[in-house]
Amino acid sequence: DQQVKQNSPSLSVQEGRISILNCDYTNSMFDYFLWYKKYPAEGPTFLISISSIKDKNEDGRFTVFLNKSAKHLSLHIVPSQPGDSAVYFCAASLQAGTALIFGKGTTLSVSS
Amino acid sequence: KAGVTQTPRYLIKTRGQQVTLSCSPISGHRSVSWYQQTPGQGLQFLFEYFSETQRNKGNFPGRFSGRQFSNSRSEMNVSTLELGDSALYLCASRGQGRDYGYTFGSGTRLTVV
Repeated sequence: DQQVKQNSPSLSVQEGRISILNCDYTNSMFDYFLWYKKYPAEGPTFLISISSIKDKNEDGRFTVFLNKSAKHLSLHIVPSQPGDSAVYFCAASLQAGTALIFGKGTTLSVSS
Repeated sequence: KAGVTQTPRYLIKTRGQQVTLSCSPISGHRSVSWYQQTPGQGLQFLFEYFSETQRNKGNFPGRFSGRQFSNSRSEMNVSTLELGDSALYLCASRGQGRDYGYTFGSGTRLTVV
């Protein structure tokens, strides 16, 4: 039973356009949500996070939106750059615990 | 400051053997978590240690075990290896407080033949 789902295995976007990566979760007790980026042969790198008390968090080109009623969050990258091509993982953690539960990832390809 | 260091980077083992992987967290980080990444399953949580105590455990068989030492370094052991254990094993550490920014190491690529 997967608690964090990234239903799109891949996404292709042109350089300069917006990339939107989506994530759904089933556990309403999740308190904190994070996005990680991963290149081959490297560990995931933390991108941006959002607490369940917020609905938006911005950091440069990256914005995360949280819709608690729909149990859905999304990562917007504007403008997309070729260097953004990587696997993006959505993760969530419970308020009382610390373990991160990851989705299966979405491979983003940004073409120039 | 130095990041999370995992050793070895690559490992080839035979089915039935056991293996021990090592993780040195960022200095001052007391929480260490282990994850298994496989192509079809993404990152799956194995266990988390804090101050030498296992605090959380994922849904993996008892063949997978770990421990943490007083200097926060952690080891993960897999006994009686199976072909399906071939994966990238990632270690992550984080500091205290509401900083949920786990920092990952580059992982150990384990291949079971």
